[in-house]
Amino acid sequence: DQQVKQNSPSLSVQEGRISILNCDYTNSMFDYFLWYKKYPAEGPTFLISISSIKDKNEDGRFTVFLNKSAKHLSLHIVPSQPGDSAVYFCAASVGRDDKIIFGKGTRLHILP
Amino acid sequence: DTEVTQTPKHLVMGMTNKKSLKCEQHMGHRAMYWYKQKAKKPPELMFVYSYEKLSINESVPSRFSPECPNSSLLNLHLHALQPEDSALYLCASSQEGSRQYFGPGTRLTVT
Repeated sequence: DQQVKQNSPSLSVQEGRISILNCDYTNSMFDYFLWYKKYPAEGPTFLISISSIKDKNEDGRFTVFLNKSAKHLSLHIVPSQPGDSAVYFCAASVGRDDKIIFGKGTRLHILP
Repeated sequence: DTEVTQTPKHLVMGMTNKKSLKCEQHMGHRAMYWYKQKAKKPPELMFVYSYEKLSINESVPSRFSPECPNSSLLNLHLHALQPEDSALYLCASSQEGSRQYFGPGTRLTVT
């Protein structure tokens, strides 16, 4: 049973527009959420995180929103740039535990 | 230095071979991890070492044997693997837990 779900395998967005990547989770014990970005032939790199005590966290062009009642989070990228084309993994943990559960990923294509 | 290095980048081995994957970090992180990633799938946790002690083993078959010689090094010893073990093997390190720094991975092919 998938505890972290990314239901969109891929997403195409025009350069300069907003990219919105979505993630749902089922385990109500999760209280820390992360987004990782992965280019081909590289390991995932940490992008942004949010604790369940917040509903929004912003870092430059990247903002993560958390809706605990809906068990849903989203990553907004504004404006989208060509270098943002990558696979984005949503991940969750209980506390800042060593064990994190990844979603299946969403491949983002930024179109020129 | 926020880099995790892994060697080799690529490895092809037969089912009767013994080989090792190596991982190194110099960030002083207390935890190191091995993940397995198949194509179009998320990384799957295999092992976690915390302060050089094995803290998590996700029921990984014994043909995979982890070793943590010191706080900077992590090895994964491979023996009698199956073709379905072919995958990208990722190493990661972390100080706080869930925010992990990943290496580039070793692409393993078992023939």
